[in-house]
Amino acid sequence: NAGVTQTPKFQVLKTGQSMTLQCAQDMNHEYMSWYRQDPGMGLRLIHYSVGAGITDQGEVPNGYNVSRSTTEDFPLRLLSAAPSQTSVYFCASSRQIPNSPLHFGNGTRLTVT
Amino acid sequence: QKEVEQDPGPLSVPEGAIVSLNCTYSNSAFQYFMWYRQYSRKGPELLMYTYSSGNKEDGRFTAQVDKSSKYISLFIRDSQPSDSATYLCATPYSGAGSYQLTFGKGTKLSVIP
Repeated sequence: NAGVTQTPKFQVLKTGQSMTLQCAQDMNHEYMSWYRQDPGMGLRLIHYSVGAGITDQGEVPNGYNVSRSTTEDFPLRLLSAAPSQTSVYFCASSRQIPNSPLHFGNGTRLTVT
Repeated sequence: QKEVEQDPGPLSVPEGAIVSLNCTYSNSAFQYFMWYRQYSRKGPELLMYTYSSGNKEDGRFTAQVDKSSKYISLFIRDSQPSDSATYLCATPYSGAGSYQLTFGKGTKLSVIP
């Protein structure tokens, strides 16, 4: 089982560039989410989705866009990259919050110069 | 105030020691509590899941919830070098009409052979 697959694993961007972080899951999970993880800050929720066509903001949504056109995919778009967005990004999915665990991908390490 | 507070450590113990990892939470309405383990350069994975108060044991791991003091703990008996990882506590809370998971900042544990 692939679980949650994130691409790319590593990315370097220049300030002002845009890019999309890809996330796909093959577990037919309705709930998907994006977190960023920074030293001393822990995991912080960026955006989440409870099903295709439904998205909502988390704790730190500014500078990021999401859409959910299929159950399997939940891409995260950086509109105009800033050095403050240098982080490790994790996508996670779950059958149901809070009764089921979150399954995480292995992360995308993003550096913005 | 963050929903969940966790001492980031780091914590270094000799092999075979008993390890105690702790979190406090702010909302007495919380009922589900999780511990995730994160190895270096990997995504977090669910380790233990408890509902309401009391203890839950799984092999060398015991999760404990004290609702009167809003304190959650993870004990690791006979710690092994393979237990070296960052441990994150988490609890779901209802935000914007949907449940979200909020994480502590994580405690980095090193078990020295």
